[in-house]
Amino acid sequence: QKEVEQDPGPLSVPEGAIVSLNCTYSNSAFQYFMWYRQYSRKGPELLMYTYSSGNKEDGRFTAQVDKSSKYISLFIRDSQPSDSATYLCAITRPGRNDMRFGAGTRLTVKP
Amino acid sequence: DVKVTQSSRYLVKRTGEKVFLECVQDMDHENMFWYRQDPGLGLRLIYFSYDVKMKEKGDIPEGYSVSREKKERFSLILESASTNQTSMYLCASSRDQRHYEQFFGPGTRLTVL
Repeated sequence: QKEVEQDPGPLSVPEGAIVSLNCTYSNSAFQYFMWYRQYSRKGPELLMYTYSSGNKEDGRFTAQVDKSSKYISLFIRDSQPSDSATYLCAITRPGRNDMRFGAGTRLTVKP
Repeated sequence: DVKVTQSSRYLVKRTGEKVFLECVQDMDHENMFWYRQDPGLGLRLIYFSYDVKMKEKGDIPEGYSVSREKKERFSLILESASTNQTSMYLCASSRDQRHYEQFFGPGTRLTVL
């Protein structure tokens, strides 16, 4: 079993839709959770970072962590064509440098 | 803003060649990382370094070596390139052992013929 699982999609939504991206992980030792956005032919850029259960909001983006279910989500409200990218979840443990990445979900937002 | 730069965006090499990929970060970060990214496999850690001249193997170190002679610079070396090393190579850095956010460079798309 992979340490972190992410549905690769692709996911296609109309402009303005609410997007839900999800990852599950297998080890409860993971305590730090990140979402990265990667545009085509570019490096990943950090979108959200959280370390506690619950929600963290930043503009149109909300990161949600449910440690009891080992489930993390990223919600995008009022999605825009500029949100079209691959979204990667990433998790890590305290004191460790070996971050684990999901395979990425490719999102297309159609005008 | 953290800036991580990589020496080349695209590189084409022949089987058996020695290949150097360079990465530089300008934020005095202690940790630096090399990943490769392949479709369906996500990012896989090759090596990382938490200090000058220090390195640790990641998940897939075979066929690679690294060098960190200065804090800001981390090099990935393919001693004898093979076709299965054709991939996107990403360098990242993070501040220190207590800060887990990693900041990535733009990537180098390496093709080995």
